Parts: sequence; structure tokens; C-alpha cells
Amino acid sequence: GQQVMQIPQYQHVQEGEDFTTYCNSSTTLSNIQWYKQRPGGHPVFLIQLVKSGEVKKQKRLTFQFGEAKKNSSLHITATQTTDVGTYFCAGPPGNAGNMLTFGGGTRLMVKP
Amino acid sequence: DAGITQSPRHKVTETGTPVTLRCHQTENHRYMYWYRQDPGHGLRLIHYSYGVKDTDKGEVSDGYSVSRSKTEDFLLTLESATSSQTSVYFCAITKGSSYEQYFGPGTRLTVT
Repeated sequence: GQQVMQIPQYQHVQEGEDFTTYCNSSTTLSNIQWYKQRPGGHPVFLIQLVKSGEVKKQKRLTFQFGEAKKNSSLHITATQTTDVGTYFCAGPPGNAGNMLTFGGGTRLMVKP
Repeated sequence: DAGITQSPRHKVTETGTPVTLRCHQTENHRYMYWYRQDPGHGLRLIHYSYGVKDTDKGEVSDGYSVSRSKTEDFLLTLESATSSQTSVYFCAITKGSSYEQYFGPGTRLTVT
């Protein structure tokens, strides 16, 4: 079945440093979604990418979808303590648009 | 806020006892999902529903059953809880034709 892998599993950064997490799927994705989960909270939808090579920005966050639609990345510029949490990518297995396979997540810790 | 509640929020139970977790939504969305979250495994789909009395298995369905007799309620049952089912359980919905998922606050289940 489809596998979605994320690296790194953990990342410690100093406040103000940049951060990037990478997501790779074993199969081509029709779309990729990113979620953020604060410690003790529930996953919250951030964004969806659909087109090959698509790049979207949300303030200090930049999301990219690979040309082959099998990988994606999330880059945070100048991290802040409010960025702390676990970031998950997720994509639909096969043509099952209403289901998602989640990556294992990247836990970001920011030292003030 | 997607109007999703889960009950109970915390539960401790003994091995071999039945447990039912409830997910309730207020917006009549068609698709509902149950996930479990464990360290190092991200979110794994247990079961999902695409309408009243329409359900299907996810990636880790063994030991779990579900029911959906009303649009607003999706129940997850552990017929005979085991320690391996100690986890945080999240319910989610998708809204309309969008594929993004919205999560409830979660239920922390401990099986002793």
C-alpha cells in the first residue's frame, strides 16, 4: 500500500533559525495536505497543494509540491516559539480522494 | 471550529472490557473518520464512514468496530480492549467536496 515518509522525525532549532521538513510518497499523489498539531492538541489543516511544482506561502511558511507529485516540503523562515508542534503531510491513497495517508510527522522544538 | 466533539475525553479501562468512543458533529457532513495516534506512527486510519450505515475499514481496523446510525454520530467500539489499544483516538470529518479534514479534540484511552 501507499507509504508516506517524513524527515526528519525531530528538529531542534534556535528561535530565528529556519526549518524544513520533507515528505515523500511511494505513489504519485493527486494532492498533498499539511497539518500542524500543537502539543496536547489536535491536527489542524494548514494547506492543500494540487498542481505539479506548486508553491504556496502563508506568512513565514512556504509549501512546495514536487514536479513528479511524489514529494513535498514545508519551510519555515525565522522560526518563532509559536511554531512549536508536529507537522504532518498527508495524501490520498490511489484515487480515494476522501481518505488520507499521513506521514509520521516532524516534531519541531524551538529554543527561545 | 468544525463542530466536532468527542466523548469521553479521557478513559482508563481494564484489559478485556468493552469500550465505546463517541464522535459527534453538528454540521451534517457525510464523511467521518476514526484515527489512532501513537508515538512514531503518526495518524493511522481505523475505520471511516461515507454515510448512515455505510462504513469501511482503514489501515488498522483489527479489534475495532464502528457504527453510524445517525449522520451526526460515529461510534468506535473496542469489543475487548487490549493494552496495545492504549492510544489517543481522533475523529475527523471532511466538509463537502473539499478533501481537507477537520479533527475533534481527541480521546486519550489507557488500557491497563
